[in-house]
Amino acid sequence: QSALTQPRSVSGSPGQSVTISCTGTSSDVGAYNYVSWYQQHSGKVPKLMIYDVSKRPSGVPDRFSGSKSGYTASLTISGLQAEDEADYYCSSHAGLTPVIFGGGTKLTVL
Amino acid sequence: EVQLVESGGGLVQPGGSLRLSCAASGFSFSSYDMHWVRQAAGKNLEWVSVIDPRGDTFYRDSVKGRFAISRESATNSLFLQMTGLRSEDTAVYYCTASLPASHYGMDVWGQGTTVTVSS
Repeated sequence: QSALTQPRSVSGSPGQSVTISCTGTSSDVGAYNYVSWYQQHSGKVPKLMIYDVSKRPSGVPDRFSGSKSGYTASLTISGLQAEDEADYYCSSHAGLTPVIFGGGTKLTVL
Repeated sequence: EVQLVESGGGLVQPGGSLRLSCAASGFSFSSYDMHWVRQAAGKNLEWVSVIDPRGDTFYRDSVKGRFAISRESATNSLFLQMTGLRSEDTAVYYCTASLPASHYGMDVWGQGTTVTVSS
């Protein structure tokens, strides 16, 4: 049940696009199209941004998009805004372990 | 209003027990997978356990045999009975919900309750 691998930090300027990767194995990300992404502002509760690799819950801006290739899933944020600065976590289904999370990525808006 | 409210956290000695509760409102509780997710201070999210609408349960390896998740549809409540607590169980524990169709995408989160295991 090792955590999925995410970069510790990424950064971008307002208006730019950033991509956060989430790398797993053939038992989790590579096996299922059940990757989710969460946004957590400092001191706040996580919020679901993407599920099933690329689906957005109601109310999530279309600036947020998800994709997957092989063992790596990605979250792309386009038109970066100051309020996007937060920690982002990926998660994946992993068979007998229903959910595993990534280590988290801190997004800094420059 | 869709809401999850946790309670039951506190300070407990190593080896002790604690029972967390979560009250759900504003959504069809009986249709959702219900989870406990924890987060130690400054650390990443860690999935702990899930119970599906049928009552099937799953746990992360480190809590198997020590934690027990349960749900009560009559009161829209979720529980986590924790025994044999260890210092590494210290964390904020979130109650969360996901529809089976979203494949564990957790779209409802409580505010969390803090568990501290220390002598």
